[in-house]
Amino acid sequence: DQQVKQNSPSLSVQEGRISILNCDYTNSMFDYFLWYKKYPAEGPTFLISISSIKDKNEDGRFTVFLNKSAKHLSLHIVPSQPGDSAVYFCAAIFSGTYKYIFGTGTRLKVLA
Amino acid sequence: KAGVTQTPRYLIKTRGQQVTLSCSPISGHRSVSWYQQTPGQGLQFLFEYFSETQRNKGNFPGRFSGRQFSNSRSEMNVSTLELGDSALYLCASSLVPADEAFFGQGTRLTVV
Repeated sequence: DQQVKQNSPSLSVQEGRISILNCDYTNSMFDYFLWYKKYPAEGPTFLISISSIKDKNEDGRFTVFLNKSAKHLSLHIVPSQPGDSAVYFCAAIFSGTYKYIFGTGTRLKVLA
Repeated sequence: KAGVTQTPRYLIKTRGQQVTLSCSPISGHRSVSWYQQTPGQGLQFLFEYFSETQRNKGNFPGRFSGRQFSNSRSEMNVSTLELGDSALYLCASSLVPADEAFFGQGTRLTVV
């Protein structure tokens, strides 16, 4: 049972435009969400997170939006750059635990 | 400070053998988690250790086991290897719950 889903396996965006990566979850008990970026042959690196008590968190070019009623979060990258090309994973976590539930990832390709 | 270190980086084993993977967390991090990454499945949670105790376990058969030492270093063992165990195994360490997890570069295991 996939509790965290990323339904788009891939996404292509033109450089300078907005990239929107989506993530849906099924368990309303998740209270913290994170986005990770992964390059080939490297471990995932943390990008941005959001607590379930918020609906938006911004860090530079990256903004994460959380819609709890829809159990949906999205990552916006503006403007997109070729170096952003990677696989993006969303993850959810239960309060007080270290157990991260990851989605299957979305491969973003930013075209120059 | 040094990041999460996983050894070895690459491993080739034959079916039926057993394998041990090692992970050294970031200094001061007491939580170590293990994940399996396969194409199309994202990162699947294996287990999490904190102060030498396994606190969370994912849905993997008993052939997958782990342990954590008093210095927080962790090992993961897979016995009676199957072809389907071929994957990238990632280790992550965290300082506090719901904080970002820092990942190692992973061990690429190939079972032939």
